[in-house]
Amino acid sequence: NAGVTQTPKFQVLKTGQSMTLQCAQDMNHNSMYWYRQDPGMGLRLIYYSASEGTTDKGEVPNGYNVSRLNKREFSLRLESAAPSQTSVYFCAGRGRLNTGELFFGEGSRLTVL
Amino acid sequence: DAKTTQPTSMDCAEGRAANLPCNHSTISGNEYVYWYRQIHSQGPQYIIHGLKNNETNEMASLIITEDRKSSTLILPHATLRDTAVYYCIVKQTGANNLFFGTGTRLTVIP
Repeated sequence: NAGVTQTPKFQVLKTGQSMTLQCAQDMNHNSMYWYRQDPGMGLRLIYYSASEGTTDKGEVPNGYNVSRLNKREFSLRLESAAPSQTSVYFCAGRGRLNTGELFFGEGSRLTVL
Repeated sequence: DAKTTQPTSMDCAEGRAANLPCNHSTISGNEYVYWYRQIHSQGPQYIIHGLKNNETNEMASLIITEDRKSSTLILPHATLRDTAVYYCIVKQTGANNLFFGTGTRLTVIP
């Protein structure tokens, strides 16, 4: 039981390159989330998926796209990376709608040069 | 969702109780109080949550004032591994986002 798994853990991109961050969970979570965390700051929600087949914007969605491939997987795509997207990205899952207990992955550290 | 106010940092001696305060004076009746912590640069970890009654689990206790405008997270016997940033979050039932502020950086001192 791995919980929430993110790949890759580290990535360096050049400005304008694209990439996809992968997230998979084996906890049968209905809802999944992508957050970013900049140095010294709290987490900000990028996108979330309340259930398979649905996605919604969070606080900071610009420059990102997401795909809820199935119940287990929720990917985050940067089509044209910018230095402002240098951050640590966390994926999370939540099983029970009303309790808000999120289970986070270990994070993906992205640097855009 | 109501916003929360937490001290920026706190120290606690190892083995002593760590009491982390949180102010949420604009909380509404259907909003829960959640606590998470983030150790170093790992993903945040759920600790505890409550509505109006005090709660206790294997990690911590949550004390919510009768008017629900503030709460305190208590780690009864702090260890060095409890050094982390602690986030107090208020969330409506069924709402999809948890607003993570900057939290309180707790340092447990040997």
